Amino acid sequence: DQQVKQNSPSLSVQEGRISILNCDYTNSMFDYFLWYKKYPAEGPTFLISISSIKDKNEDGRFTVFLNKSAKHLSLHIVPSQPGDSAVYFCAAVDPGYALNFGKGTSLLVTP
Amino acid sequence: NAGVMQNPRHLVRRRGQEARLRCSPVKGHSHVYWYRQLPEEGLKFMVYLQKENIIDESGMPKERFSAEFPKEGPSILRIQQVVRGDSAAYFCASSPRDGFRGGQETQYFGPGTRLLVL
Repeated sequence: DQQVKQNSPSLSVQEGRISILNCDYTNSMFDYFLWYKKYPAEGPTFLISISSIKDKNEDGRFTVFLNKSAKHLSLHIVPSQPGDSAVYFCAAVDPGYALNFGKGTSLLVTP
Repeated sequence: NAGVMQNPRHLVRRRGQEARLRCSPVKGHSHVYWYRQLPEEGLKFMVYLQKENIIDESGMPKERFSAEFPKEGPSILRIQQVVRGDSAAYFCASSPRDGFRGGQETQYFGPGTRLLVL
């Protein structure tokens, strides 16, 4: 039962343009959301998070938007850089502590 | 300033053998989480431990899998009598305290152990 869904397995963006990665969830009890970035053969690295009481959180080139009514969040990266090429996982926290991950979106930023 | 350490990074076992995966959390972190990632899948929560206590093992298979986090030493994820379906990447994460109340904490991940069962 996949409660967090990333429907785009891959995304290709030109350097300098905006990357938008999307995530949908089904469990209305989720109250905290995170994005992790993962390179091959490495563990996920925390990128940015957002609480359900907010609709936007920004950190440098990364902005996460949350639309609770639509159960949708998105990660915007602008401007995109080749070093951003990685797999991005959306994760949601249930009322406890377990992270519920999507399957990931592989981002390729081309020069 | 060492992060989460996991060893071995790669482990090959034959069906029926035992696999032991170790995780040393970030220094000062007393909460450990294990996740499993099957090919083409996201990470799935398995178990949450504090020192000497299993808090939540709802994501762990009932048989053959066990986990511990002793007072001294690393956390261990043990898989007995491995089968091919156990082949996956196993990630450990740690946090200073549980949960995300106030949004102050996050889980920091190790590099993972890639288990291959032949």
